[in-house]
Amino acid sequence: EIVLTQSPGTLSLSPGERATLSCRASQSVSSSYLAWYQQKPGQAPRLLIYGASSRATGIPDRFSGSGSGTDFTLTISRLEPEDFAVYYCQQYGSSPYTFGQGTNLEIK
Amino acid sequence: QVQLVQSGAEVKKPGSSVKVSCKASGGTFRTYAINWVRQAPGQGLEWMGGSIPMFGPANYAPKFQGRVTITADESTSTAYMELTSLRSEDTAVYYCARAGETFYYYYMDVWGKGTTVTVSS
Repeated sequence: EIVLTQSPGTLSLSPGERATLSCRASQSVSSSYLAWYQQKPGQAPRLLIYGASSRATGIPDRFSGSGSGTDFTLTISRLEPEDFAVYYCQQYGSSPYTFGQGTNLEIK
Repeated sequence: QVQLVQSGAEVKKPGSSVKVSCKASGGTFRTYAINWVRQAPGQGLEWMGGSIPMFGPANYAPKFQGRVTITADESTSTAYMELTSLRSEDTAVYYCARAGETFYYYYMDVWGKGTTVTVSS
């Protein structure tokens, strides 16, 4: 089973700042099958990024993903108030298709 | 526009079973994987398993193997997740989510709103 470790656990930033979230896999994620989701309280997760770097439909271009192998990054270039939420990475290259434990992006 | 509509909240006794449904509308059902993901209160997301209706047998996370059964009814475009031998730790919101591409358990781009299952004596 691939274990995904996200860091930091909590990230405190202000609107307008740049956010960098990390997701590290215990073994290589095949075909860069790595996705990022955003979840707000009381809501279902929302797909942001798939294939490590492809934005999902309707996702603003301030969200970008990068990485391959075992190291992946989600970057939010300039934080908007609505971006403060919990972010999860998920690998879908090898069953079971595991999630990271999440990064809580909070307003500073 | 694909939508997934889940069944309502459930309260169950320890040792019993729960069956949650997920009805898809607005798209092709049989070629896309439907995944089941749960989230305990205040915790992260956990993939339980899924199935691609046209391929039949489901794919389960080892943690849930033997206790969860995932099925699909193509005639009604509805997926089901049944969890048995419930314990308090199974209290969670259970989501169904459709894969973004066909014939594999790709990223999940359409999610149901979730079904709250509470296990309490």
